[in-house]
Amino acid sequence: EDKVVQSPLSLVVHEGDTVTLNCSYEVTNFRSLLWYKQEKKAPTFLFMLTSSGIEKKSGRLSSILDKKELFSILNITATQTGDSAVYLCAVNWGERGGADGLTFGKGTHLIIQP
Amino acid sequence: GAVVSQHPSRVICKSGTSVKIECRSLDFQATTMFWYRQFPKQSLMLMATSNEGSKATYEQGVEKDKFLINHASLTLSTLTVTSAHPEDSSFYICSAREWGFDGPYNEQFFGPGTRLTVL
Repeated sequence: EDKVVQSPLSLVVHEGDTVTLNCSYEVTNFRSLLWYKQEKKAPTFLFMLTSSGIEKKSGRLSSILDKKELFSILNITATQTGDSAVYLCAVNWGERGGADGLTFGKGTHLIIQP
Repeated sequence: GAVVSQHPSRVICKSGTSVKIECRSLDFQATTMFWYRQFPKQSLMLMATSNEGSKATYEQGVEKDKFLINHASLTLSTLTVTSAHPEDSSFYICSAREWGFDGPYNEQFFGPGTRLTVL
């Protein structure tokens, strides 16, 4: 059975701190790993990772994938209260040209205190 | 970026009635649309995968006769919750993937979600 495990489930830090969110996975026919930020409604896309060791960056957020150890991390530096959200990790699985889908982790609920 | 809309955003209905939720890709053609359900404080659970012009593929444990999915065009998929019961109350989210991407490396764009409450 495909699994995506995120840790920690919940994290409370002060504004300005740096946080690292973890995502490990066991899936058949891995295609890519995606990070989403979910506030009040549907998730918004952050990163898609397909290759090991290549860091993706967007402002204060960055992410990297290790396909050998089957995990990814999402880093947020100089956190702000607006970063408070649930961060979801999802793995896209499926065979090329065939059916595929996303399996989500349970999410990390991040709270940034002023 | 690609935009996906859902309608309605919120619906309250009586037990036993049917509810239809629409998912539209506004500025791209979506060969595949996905339907998810999210219960409070839980992650998204994939319900079914819908390919334009063919039958949807349902995940294990999801009743296909209860959750009817139609993907009649490249920009529209609908989810109908038939004979809804209070336990069907949830947040339903669709996502769409753009036509034209080949290979396995394309992202999904999410709609804003529909909050269903069954009384």
